[in-house]
Amino acid sequence: EIVLTQSPATLSLSPGERATLSCRASQSVSSYLAWYQQKPGQAPRLLIYDASNRATGIPARFSGSGSGTDFTLTISSLEPEDFAVYYCQQRSTLYSFGQGTKLEIK
Amino acid sequence: EVQLVESGGGLVTGGGSLRLSCAASGFTFSNAWMTWVRQAPGKGLEWVGRIKSNTDGGTTDYAAPVKGRFTMSRDDSKNTLYLEMNSLKTEDTAVYYCITVDRYGWFDPWGQGTLVTVSS
Repeated sequence: EIVLTQSPATLSLSPGERATLSCRASQSVSSYLAWYQQKPGQAPRLLIYDASNRATGIPARFSGSGSGTDFTLTISSLEPEDFAVYYCQQRSTLYSFGQGTKLEIK
Repeated sequence: EVQLVESGGGLVTGGGSLRLSCAASGFTFSNAWMTWVRQAPGKGLEWVGRIKSNTDGGTTDYAAPVKGRFTMSRDDSKNTLYLEMNSLKTEDTAVYYCITVDRYGWFDPWGQGTLVTVSS
């Protein structure tokens, strides 16, 4: 099983700031990595797939990078609606999720 | 518009069984790979299982914690996905999401989820 480790567990920032979230895989997943956003009481939604491609309707302030074992989700300038929990997921070997990063308002 | 509506959740005693359903609309269900993901209260996301389309063999894969206890199936004539859960444990308590595996292999879109509570 491929284990995904996200850091930090919690990130406290203010609107307008830049957010950088990390996801590390226990073995290479090539570019088979996605990021999801989940707001309270809602189902997750796909943000980024194949490490760096934005899903339909996702604003350009969201970007993803990385390959192999180290990946990053960057939100260039935080909007109030971006404060949520973010999960990474791999599909290189079946599927697994990271434990999540909570992005909270400072 | 793609819609996935889960049903069948509820309260069950440990060791019991439950069957979840997911009614799909707005896309060609028979061509789609489908998957279930669960989320225990206040916890993260956990992949449960996936079923391929019948044209791709209709095979299933499961996460280790549910393998041998949970069974996914599909009825393409009814555009419905099922999750049969047996020998339920308290740690199976979660919201269960039905999701389409999109053309790139990712989980999109998600249903609204159905809550399964297993009591001891």
